[in-house]
Amino acid sequence: KAGVTQTPRYLIKTRGQQVTLSCSPISGHRSVSWYQQTPGQGLQFLFEYFSETQRNKGNFPGRFSGRQFSNSRSEMNVSTLELGDSALYLCASSLAPSGAYEQYFGPGTRLTVT
Amino acid sequence: QKEVEQNSGPLSVPEGAIASLNCTYSDRGSQSFFWYRQYSGKSPELIMFIYSNGDKEDGRFTAQLNKASQYVSLLIRDSQPSDSATYLCAVNKGGADGLTFGKGTHLIIQP
Repeated sequence: KAGVTQTPRYLIKTRGQQVTLSCSPISGHRSVSWYQQTPGQGLQFLFEYFSETQRNKGNFPGRFSGRQFSNSRSEMNVSTLELGDSALYLCASSLAPSGAYEQYFGPGTRLTVT
Repeated sequence: QKEVEQNSGPLSVPEGAIASLNCTYSDRGSQSFFWYRQYSGKSPELIMFIYSNGDKEDGRFTAQLNKASQYVSLLIRDSQPSDSATYLCAVNKGGADGLTFGKGTHLIIQP
């Protein structure tokens, strides 16, 4: 069974631009969560989607948004990029909402904002 | 108080010995607990999960959970150089909050 895939793997953007990242979960998994990883803050929860609905959102500004499609694939969008948005963005999939099931991470998208 | 705390290390263990990694959490209502291994430049890989008090064994790995003490640990027996990585403890508090991660412990297995 194929794992979680994320595209693109690397991205360089300039301040003020926006970016869209994509995540395809493991086949049969319906829940997708997004995390930001930085050396200073570690792994931080962004949001989780299940059945095309956002279940919750972490402590991030409204510039961070996401959505989930009927095939469970998910995208996240960051608008008006800031230097501090440079990070590894990880998505994780699980069979159902993450409270009850294990999450498996994709390889991540490395975003650099210049 | 941090929600999930881990000693950042580095924790140095000789090859063949038992590596013991510890994690404490603050929310007494936490329901599920996970250990991830992350190699430098890679994404986290799930190695163990535990939901009930006690021990759970999987190969060389044993996860231990003590909800009364709000403590979860990971033991790695017969440590190998390939076990050298950062180990992340993650906790789900229930509901839709996603996982809360500790900052990780850097483990070094010395040949």
